[in-house]
Amino acid sequence: RKEVEQDPGPFNVPEGATVAFNCTYSNSASQSFFWYRQDCRKEPKLLMSVYSSGNEDGRFTAQLNRASQYISLLIRDSKLSDSATYLCVVTRGTGGFKTIFGAGTRLFVKA
Amino acid sequence: GAGVSQSPSNKVTEKGKDVELRCDPISGHTALYWYRQSLGQGLEFLIYFQGNSAPDKSGLPSDRFSAERTGGSVSTLTIQRTQQEDSAVYLCASSLAYQGSDTQYFGPGTRLTVL
Repeated sequence: RKEVEQDPGPFNVPEGATVAFNCTYSNSASQSFFWYRQDCRKEPKLLMSVYSSGNEDGRFTAQLNRASQYISLLIRDSKLSDSATYLCVVTRGTGGFKTIFGAGTRLFVKA
Repeated sequence: GAGVSQSPSNKVTEKGKDVELRCDPISGHTALYWYRQSLGQGLEFLIYFQGNSAPDKSGLPSDRFSAERTGGSVSTLTIQRTQQEDSAVYLCASSLAYQGSDTQYFGPGTRLTVL
């Protein structure tokens, strides 16, 4: 079992749809959580950090449930430009930490 | 300002040859990371540097892989006696400080093809 697991996807949705991405992590010592976005043949870029209190940035909402070791990302009113792979990222460790990326979930938004 | 840069952008080599990949982090970033991404796969963490020091090399796939960083800036990842399974995109990232909560900024990657 992978340490960070995501929905395998791909997701195919029409413009304007609401899309939910799920991610689970197995190591309870995990400390920091992120969603990155990766466009085709491009490098990953930070979309947003994820906090226990939840955080929202425009159409994007991220949630963290430490008890269930679960992270989510919600995209409302999806746009064509949201088409990309969404990567769940977890860091753990003190002093020296490790960054673990999920395999990603591909999203296709269609007109 | 300038982001993370990597060179070469593409490298095709023959099995058994050595290759050297270069990463220039964002100026002032003390932490630097190397990852590998195989086709259709997630990112595999290889090694990180805090300044010029790499405290944990356990992520390197084999002893054919080595990395160094000089002057707290440029880093090189060297693969000796390349194998076909080394074919992947090698991504470098940097962050302002070495903290798990810091944002990592990625370079465009080096696409390595071993024939």
